[in-house]
Amino acid sequence: GAGVSQSPRYKVAKRGQDVALRCDPISGHVSLFWYQQALGQGPEFLTYFQNEAQLDKSGLPSDRFFAERPEGSVSTLKIQRTQQEDSAVYLCASNIDRGWSYEQYFGPGTRLTVT
Amino acid sequence: KQEVTQIPAALSVPEGENLVLNCSFTDSAIYNLQWFRQDPGKGLTSLLLIQSSQREQTSGRLNASLDKSSGRSTLYIAASQPGDSATYLCAVWSGGSNYKLTFGKGTLLTVNP
Repeated sequence: GAGVSQSPRYKVAKRGQDVALRCDPISGHVSLFWYQQALGQGPEFLTYFQNEAQLDKSGLPSDRFFAERPEGSVSTLKIQRTQQEDSAVYLCASNIDRGWSYEQYFGPGTRLTVT
Repeated sequence: KQEVTQIPAALSVPEGENLVLNCSFTDSAIYNLQWFRQDPGKGLTSLLLIQSSQREQTSGRLNASLDKSSGRSTLYIAASQPGDSATYLCAVWSGGSNYKLTFGKGTLLTVNP
């Protein structure tokens, strides 16, 4: 079946531009997560949605980062006034329920390069 | 704050060897632990998930163990193949307000033909 999809796969932005990254979770998955993975590092949590509710945004590095999931399915991560330190792979993951036992399924990621 | 450490950071072995990747975590109050594989430029592929009540999980040539009380997990790969070359990431799912995966930095595995 279809997995988690993300678009675009690659994005090059000039410093100061705004970008929007899209995530399509697996159909029926209630929970959606965004992670940021810098080069040579493990992914780090950014934010979490349960349906359309953003329950945790403690990992967002600054107020330039904003995420939404208005209808409880597709999510968009927006970065305003991009900086070079925003260059990373942005990963989206979903799982079916709030149950602790469920696996997270990851998308292929969006590689953002800020020049 | 949960911290996850993976040792070694990189490992190079000849084809056919059995090998062990190590993962440790600082807070033993976890719900589960997940091992992932990441190929260059790709997303994460889940390999094994171990519930906190379990001691190990097996899938093909992979076996993962969990010792929650000591904060350790190992991923054993039997009869390694060049196709196993990738970065292996360990992540723990903690409870309470930590509804997220906390990852280690990964082990870069190279299996030489």
